[in-house]
Amino acid sequence: EDKVVQSPLSLVVHEGDTVTLNCSYEVTNFRSLLWYKQEKKAPTFLFMLTSSGIEKKSGRLSSILDKKELFSILNITATQTGDSAIYLCAVKPRGGSQGNLIFGKGTKLSVKP
Amino acid sequence: GAVVSQHPSWVICKSGTSVKIECRSLDFQATTMFWYRQFPKQSLMLMATSNEGSKATYEQGVEKDKFLINHASLTLSTLTVTSAHPEDSSFYICSARPTGSQAEKLFFGSGTQLSVL
Repeated sequence: EDKVVQSPLSLVVHEGDTVTLNCSYEVTNFRSLLWYKQEKKAPTFLFMLTSSGIEKKSGRLSSILDKKELFSILNITATQTGDSAIYLCAVKPRGGSQGNLIFGKGTKLSVKP
Repeated sequence: GAVVSQHPSWVICKSGTSVKIECRSLDFQATTMFWYRQFPKQSLMLMATSNEGSKATYEQGVEKDKFLINHASLTLSTLTVTSAHPEDSSFYICSARPTGSQAEKLFFGSGTQLSVL
């Protein structure tokens, strides 16, 4: 059975800290891995990763994929209170519905002032 | 950026009634929209794929007669939970893919929390 596991499930840090969120997966016919930020219920797209070893970067956020070890990490440097959210990792297998993303349960990040 | 509006954001209803949830793409056209359900402490799970002008495609285990989907235009899909029961209480969220864009880059609505009494 396909599955996506995120860790930790929750994390509390202080402003300025650097955090690393983990996502491992077991998915047949992997196509891509996506990270979303979910605050106030609406997930917003962060990154899509398809190739191993190529870092995607957007401001203080970066992510990388390891297709051999079947995991991805999302790094946030110099965290701010506005980074507080649930971060979702999802894997898109080849074939099936275009919306068939296999989601992890998310990591709830709380950044304290 | 692409915006998806979902309404209502929360609804409480009596058992046996039907509830309609709307999902609109505000600044783009979406041939395909998707409906998900999330139970507490569980992952988002795809329920069905809504196709403009044709029948929806349901995932295994999702009752098509209970969860009616209509995608009458390129910007609107609706999900109707018919004869709702307490076990249907959940968080329902839609997503849409702008026509012509990368298949995986979905834009999500803000979700609807349904509570059936």
